[in-house]
Order: sequence, then structure tokens, then C-alpha cells
Amino acid sequence: AQSVAQPEDQVNVAEGNPLTVKCTYSVSGNPYLFWYVQYPNRGLQFLLKYITGDNLVKGSYGFEAEFNKSQTSFHLKKPSALVSDSALYFCAVRKNSGGYNKLIFGAGTRLAVHP
Amino acid sequence: SQTIHQWPATLVQPVGSPLSLECTVEGTSNPNLYWYRQAAGRGLQLLFYSVGIGQISSEVPQNLSASRPQDRQFILSSKKLLLSDSGFYLCAWSHGDKSDTIYFGEGSWLTVV
Repeated sequence: AQSVAQPEDQVNVAEGNPLTVKCTYSVSGNPYLFWYVQYPNRGLQFLLKYITGDNLVKGSYGFEAEFNKSQTSFHLKKPSALVSDSALYFCAVRKNSGGYNKLIFGAGTRLAVHP
Repeated sequence: SQTIHQWPATLVQPVGSPLSLECTVEGTSNPNLYWYRQAAGRGLQLLFYSVGIGQISSEVPQNLSASRPQDRQFILSSKKLLLSDSGFYLCAWSHGDKSDTIYFGEGSWLTVV
């Protein structure tokens, strides 16, 4: 069964430092992987996705993610964190079931960037 | 460009009352539509999805139902709300290919009292 795991409930980073939010996946076949961000009391905003091709995917707000097939990981990264990056981050894998395409989400990781 | 609207943004309803949350998508046709629920500010659970008018699939048995009366309209309903129905409800849409992104609305806060 397809699934994703986000091993950290919370990540704390100082402003200006690089950040990494971890995600590992378990899928059969080629994975379609996504990252979303959620600010308080808001819907989810799409950041980036990996479908195929270059293992380093660039997305919105300066975020990028590296697909690593051997480690079955898709970690979200940013070279220099901002306080405004503080939010809840979700990794997701696309599952095709009976002709329907559904997103299976990880539990989420709360990112706190301190001034 | 495509947009998704969801309303109401917040709702406080007594136990046993009915519910109707509405979602519409603009700027596209024949989208896949989804209802998710987020509990305790974390995990997202897929409740319903639809690939066309009148075609609804339920992921989990519960006190809720969904309908799609028009191509770009998706409604989440209940005849009698339970306390456990409280949560943050998110509507979403995508095109049909599995490489396509799923886009979310701004959500509806439901508090059952």
C-alpha cells in the first residue's frame, strides 16, 4: 500500500539557517510526490511535486525537494529560512485506485522559524 | 485561471441539525472533486471524491454524504450532525491525470455544539 511518513512532528530552525523537513515514502511503481504548506486556519497551498526527471525539484517561495529513490525519500529544503515560513508542511503521494487519483498525506510537520 | 470557492468559512451548528457545505470550481471543466477533513490541526482524511456528475465515492463510512449536482459543484451534507463531525473541511479539485496537482479551497470550520 502507498504511504508517506513524516518522522518529525516539529522542526525548529533559526532564521537565516537552512531547513529540511523530512519525508519518506512507500509506493509500488513510480512515485508521484507532493509537498503542501498550510498556514493557520487556511487551506493547503501547493509547493512542488516530483513526477519524473531531475531529482531536484524547485517550487514556490524558494523551496526545493530532492527525490532519492534508493532512500525512498523526498525531503523538503530551503537554503535560508524566514520567520514567515513557519507553518504546517505536508508530504503526499498520489495513489491511483480504481481509476481515481487520490492524495495520501503524511501526518504533517510543524516548522517553527525563530528570529 | 482556475479558482475554487468554498463556503461558509465558519459554521456553528447544534447537534442533530442538518449540514450543507458547498464548493464550486471555476475556470475548468470535468474536474475531479474531493472532500477532506482535517482533525486536530493535523492529519487529512479523504471523505469523498467524484470524477463526474452524480458519481460519488466514499472513503469511510460516516454520518456525512456528498453530492455533485453540477459539473463544478460539490456539496457535503448531513441530515443530523454529531459532536464528532466537528472539524476543518477542505474541498479540492484536480484534473484526471495522476500527475496533476490537487488544489485546495480555503476550508470550512464546523463546530457542532
